[in-house]
Amino acid sequence: DIQMTQSPSSLPASVGDRVTITCRASQTILSNYLNWYQQKPGKAPKLLIYAASVLQSGVPSRFSGSGSGTDFTLTISSLQSEDFATYYCQQSYTTPYTFGQGTKLDIK
Amino acid sequence: EVQLLESAGGLVQPGGSLRLSCAASGFTFSRNAMSWVRQAPGKGLEWVSMISGTGDTTHYADSVKGRFTISRDNSENTLYLQMNSLRVEDTAVYYCVKDRYGVGGGLFDLWGQGTLVSVSS
Repeated sequence: DIQMTQSPSSLPASVGDRVTITCRASQTILSNYLNWYQQKPGKAPKLLIYAASVLQSGVPSRFSGSGSGTDFTLTISSLQSEDFATYYCQQSYTTPYTFGQGTKLDIK
Repeated sequence: EVQLLESAGGLVQPGGSLRLSCAASGFTFSRNAMSWVRQAPGKGLEWVSMISGTGDTTHYADSVKGRFTISRDNSENTLYLQMNSLRVEDTAVYYCVKDRYGVGGGLFDLWGQGTLVSVSS
């Protein structure tokens, strides 16, 4: 199975900050198969970015993704209050589809 | 409106069974693979099972293989998860999830609201 490891697990931040979350895969995956989700408390996850860098329709442009091989990043250019949530990376390269453990973005 | 609506979960004793269902609307159900993803209380996301749009291909996580069965009824736009031999560690919110592609691929672009399954004596 491909293990996905995110860092950090928790990230205190303030509105207006630029934040970056890192996701590392235990083996090389094609960029087409790396996705990011946002989950707010008590709610279902929501697809943010797929194929490492493609924004899902309706997602604000302050979100961006990059990376290749085993290392990927999610960046929020200027944090807004509605962005405080938990973020998960996920590989869809092969089953079992696996998620990172999550990065909780909370208010500093 | 495009949506997925899971049936109510519930409390089940260890070793018991439960069937979840998920009603899809607002899209051509048979064109998309579907998955179940679960989340234990306070924990991260775990993919459980996937079924292709036609229903002829299924995959399972090792943790549920041999105990859970995924199926679908395209005439009723409904996805199912039959869960047998339930264990305490199966306690989780179960999400019905739409895949962007018909043959699967694990790109989850629509999620249901989730339903809680509790396994306890």
